[in-house]
Amino acid sequence: RKEVEQDPGPFNVPEGATVAFNCTYSNSASQSFFWYRQDCRKEPKLLMSVYSSGNEDGRFTAQLNRASQYISLLIRDSKLSDSATYLCVAPNSGGYQKVTFGTGTKLQVIP
Amino acid sequence: GAVVSQHPSWVICKSGTSVKIECRSLDFQATTMFWYRQFPKQSLMLMATSNEGSKATYEQGVEKDKFLINHASLTLSTLTVTSAHPEDSSFYICSAPGQGMNEQFFGPGTRLTVL
Repeated sequence: RKEVEQDPGPFNVPEGATVAFNCTYSNSASQSFFWYRQDCRKEPKLLMSVYSSGNEDGRFTAQLNRASQYISLLIRDSKLSDSATYLCVAPNSGGYQKVTFGTGTKLQVIP
Repeated sequence: GAVVSQHPSWVICKSGTSVKIECRSLDFQATTMFWYRQFPKQSLMLMATSNEGSKATYEQGVEKDKFLINHASLTLSTLTVTSAHPEDSSFYICSAPGQGMNEQFFGPGTRLTVL
């Protein structure tokens, strides 16, 4: 099983829609997770961190389900500017501060 | 937040040449930096961990003699792709860890094209 797995998509949703992505992880000992956003040909930018209590920031909500070993990202009221690839990131057991990236889920918000 | 820069942002070179990419932490010191590679439509893959004052540690499958890493100071790590070939064409990104657990600050990336 891969350390981090994501549905690559693409998810094509209309403006204003609510969309959710899941990401499964294999290391049950992992404590912290992250969602990054990556625009085409750019570096990843941190969107949200996810700990046991989940996290909400405006239209974005991230949650952690330890029992099923997945994290989710919910985007409400999608904007055209939300179109990007969303990368799930989990700690890498191979060393301090090392992380593993998922392959990313591509979101396309359609007018 | 903390800023990490990379230079150059893009480079085109002929097969067989060597290319050096610099990664700098601009307003903080980084004893550790990470180098990633991203092929089209794939995720970031960790290549190596750069350690200030000691040898870099490489991930499985990454040739240390081909990808030379030098972490000469607390703010600078360099990645040299030696004898580059077209299959080395990729997006190379460095990052430096922040204070928070698994927090990472990414450079803007370097797009390498080997002809």
